[in-house]
Amino acid sequence: GESVGLHLPTLSVQEGDNSIINCAYSNSASDYFIWYKQESGKGPQFIIDIRSNMDKRQGQRVTVLLNKTVKHLSLQIAATQPGDSAVYFCAENIGTSYGKLTFGQGTILTVHP
Amino acid sequence: NAGVTQTPKFQVLKTGQSMTLQCAQDMNHNSMYWYRQDPGMGLRLIYYSASEGTTDKGEVPNGYNVSRLNKREFSLRLESAAPSQTSVYFCASSDWGILNTDTQYFGPGTRLTVL
Repeated sequence: GESVGLHLPTLSVQEGDNSIINCAYSNSASDYFIWYKQESGKGPQFIIDIRSNMDKRQGQRVTVLLNKTVKHLSLQIAATQPGDSAVYFCAENIGTSYGKLTFGQGTILTVHP
Repeated sequence: NAGVTQTPKFQVLKTGQSMTLQCAQDMNHNSMYWYRQDPGMGLRLIYYSASEGTTDKGEVPNGYNVSRLNKREFSLRLESAAPSQTSVYFCASSDWGILNTDTQYFGPGTRLTVL
């Protein structure tokens, strides 16, 4: 089975709220993680990544947190906007396993104006 | 700089027909990938190419073949299409090995229906 999964399949928020999307992974050897955003009818778009030697990484309005103790990854979106509505996927990679990105099922984020 | 492009965008086939999905990238990436995405599911790797001249099977390779034509182009062929191959197909590329990361950049997808 897949080693990456999501706690919540859907998330609805109001515009301006902060959003938190969660992801669990089961492979303790995974050392690189990526969050992708996929809008309807489009391909996944890279948002942010993090290596296993980090706990937190920030981008523009997004923050990824990694808790290796409980094998948990989260994506925080600040001041969520309607344009953030999409499916969000986490993916993991074991550095020694070339080309072996494993994707979770995805969380649907809906932002209400 | 178009990134990753795919053709066609849509295709309808009858069972048993063959077709080739085309993919090209202009980012000078070494590595390219083919995924399929089924409703409610994440992406599953079909085949990948670490570098020009090499290809390897992914998670779900049965029923598919690939060709890494050159550094830019990576095609996916369905020799005898089956309804189970109805899906959205994504091509991706990356520069794995440069920074020991695998940030993959995706094309817009090909939506394939097999009747």
